[in-house]
Amino acid sequence: AQTVTQSQPEMSVQEAETVTLSCTYDTSENNYYLFWYKQPPSRQMILVIRQEAYKQQNATENRFSVNFQKAAKSFSLKISDSQLGDTAMYFCAVTGTASKLTFGTGTRLQVTL
Amino acid sequence: KAGVTQTPRYLIKTRGQQVTLSCSPISGHRSVSWYQQTPGQGLQFLFEYFSETQRNKGNFPGRFSGRQFSNSRSEMNVSTLELGDSALYLCASSLGWEPHEQFFGPGTRLTVL
Repeated sequence: AQTVTQSQPEMSVQEAETVTLSCTYDTSENNYYLFWYKQPPSRQMILVIRQEAYKQQNATENRFSVNFQKAAKSFSLKISDSQLGDTAMYFCAVTGTASKLTFGTGTRLQVTL
Repeated sequence: KAGVTQTPRYLIKTRGQQVTLSCSPISGHRSVSWYQQTPGQGLQFLFEYFSETQRNKGNFPGRFSGRQFSNSRSEMNVSTLELGDSALYLCASSLGWEPHEQFFGPGTRLTVL
């Protein structure tokens, strides 16, 4: 079984500032992948960033980067230079050999002026 | 490439009825997964189809079923609708081998009265 925990239900950040969203997970699989998805008010789920567990290097995607601590089973998302368009629900997810995503409960991020 | 499409986008049904939702994956994708999103339970995996076969299944009652056609399009059926089936139903497609990222459709909002 896999579990994902997001301990921050809501967060707020000012435009242009940096914010970090936390995620911890548990899985019994050796080969797994971690994802951050963004769900804006339109409800469309958008992939933000992906991390292969076997890779030590942290993934980055423009203003988005992760801090992957495999031993601690931690996978946090850092958003730099926050923009109003980043306002959304952010979901952390894990998948193993099966194509089944297990999601956390989400963090609602509000970017303010 | 066109994204994942889902029809209909909105649906209102009454208790006891049945409903069929449709999902067309990204061209070339052979795996289609279905998720239910509710405020109380969050995002939950329903099932996954790959090459017309159900490959994985979540913990939902038998009233929830699905199928996949030879062109990879998938349908999900819910019989004997209950009030608790009101949810956003998300479909996601992926290439199908290795835990590739899943690309989501806009969802079907089902309301059961």
